[in-house]
Amino acid sequence: GAVVSQHPSRVICKSGTSVKIECRSLDFQATTMFWYRQFPKQSLMLMATSNEGSKATYEQGVEKDKFLINHASLTLSTLTVTSAHPEDSSFYICSARDSSKVGTEAFFGQGTRLTVV
Amino acid sequence: SQQGEEDPQALSIQEGENATMNCSYKTSINNLQWYRQNSGRGLVHLILIRSNEREKHSGRLRVTLDTSKKSSSLLITASRAADTASYFCATDAVQGGKLIFGQGTELSVKP
Repeated sequence: GAVVSQHPSRVICKSGTSVKIECRSLDFQATTMFWYRQFPKQSLMLMATSNEGSKATYEQGVEKDKFLINHASLTLSTLTVTSAHPEDSSFYICSARDSSKVGTEAFFGQGTRLTVV
Repeated sequence: SQQGEEDPQALSIQEGENATMNCSYKTSINNLQWYRQNSGRGLVHLILIRSNEREKHSGRLRVTLDTSKKSSSLLITASRAADTASYFCATDAVQGGKLIFGQGTELSVKP
């Protein structure tokens, strides 16, 4: 199956710093990628839809200035958590769908566990 | 809430027994997908059922879809300890192209 690579898998940062998470589709092109956040024992909450070459679409309640999304190419989207605080500690997961195949499965990265101290 | 609902939230069974998980959703969908997640890991796609399908099989997995009731079920037959994981349904809405996840069922299969 298709592969989505997410990096880093784990990061610890100090309060006030910024952290960038990368999501790459390795063997297919993705005009759209999705960023989710997951708290322990909870489901995935969609944060934003990342659109190649245009602005991301954020879900209600997600601060766009805090969670910066850039989708510079058909295979790469990045999520930057700016001025991180301990409450931003969470598991962040990206997913991508093959642009050439409509209505098919999504492929997920392995996730990034962010801990803000 | 954008999320659908799943029940049960947690399910504990013995190896060899069947496990059934249910999912309800709110919007019109193109398809519904089931995913598995081992603790602290990414998601693995299990099966996709389209809105014009009523039942689908894949190995020990059986999925049903009732669009009139906006509900789906996932049956895992002859469960194994390795099936222990969290299972999520995700709806692929007609509008938006994004996957919205249910709350998940935490399955524990005891050897």
